[in-house]
Amino acid sequence: NAGVTQTPKFQVLKTGQSMTLQCAQDMNHNSMYWYRQDPGMGLRLIYYSASEGTTDKGEVPNGYNVSRLNKREFSLRLESAAPSQTSVYFCASSLGLLYSSTDTQYFGPGTRLTVL
Amino acid sequence: AQRVTQPEKLLSVFKGAPVELKCNYSYSGSPELFWYVQYSRQRLQLLLRHISRESIKGFTADLNKGETSFHLKKPFAQEEDSAMYYCALSVSGGYNKLIFGAGTRLAVHP
Repeated sequence: NAGVTQTPKFQVLKTGQSMTLQCAQDMNHNSMYWYRQDPGMGLRLIYYSASEGTTDKGEVPNGYNVSRLNKREFSLRLESAAPSQTSVYFCASSLGLLYSSTDTQYFGPGTRLTVL
Repeated sequence: AQRVTQPEKLLSVFKGAPVELKCNYSYSGSPELFWYVQYSRQRLQLLLRHISRESIKGFTADLNKGETSFHLKKPFAQEEDSAMYYCALSVSGGYNKLIFGAGTRLAVHP
């Protein structure tokens, strides 16, 4: 099993360009998440999908949209990239257990995005 | 407000020395706390969760609700413990939405 995969690994955009970050998991997990990681700030939740067909905003959703394409795939779209969106983006998935204390998130390798 | 604070950006120790990585949280509900670790060139992964009360790779963490802390401890550090450690708080009460601290880099020197 590949676990959680993300594409691309690296991307450079110009301000105003759009792009979609792809995430897929092969663990039959119900829940999927997108985080961004910035220096000195840890990981911050952008959007999450508790189950197929649902998506919800996290801590920092502005400037992003998501699509839960099916149970396996959860994409993150930047419609008009800004330099403030320069970051490392991580996708994660979990079984989505009712009791979060026993739910484990599994992370992808990350996408390093630079917006000039 | 829900918050996780890891006051140390870098903790540098020698092999065999005790290690304590500090984590404090702010949350009005019943906290669910985790430690995640990222080794060099590896993915972020779960190290331990407070509800399990287990020792993983020699690390333990005790939830202290009075001090709102969840410090990670190991009595004798090893070089392979060098990594980035993140404390995380689940605030959902249902689905697992995590709030991460800024992380502490642990460097264990020979």
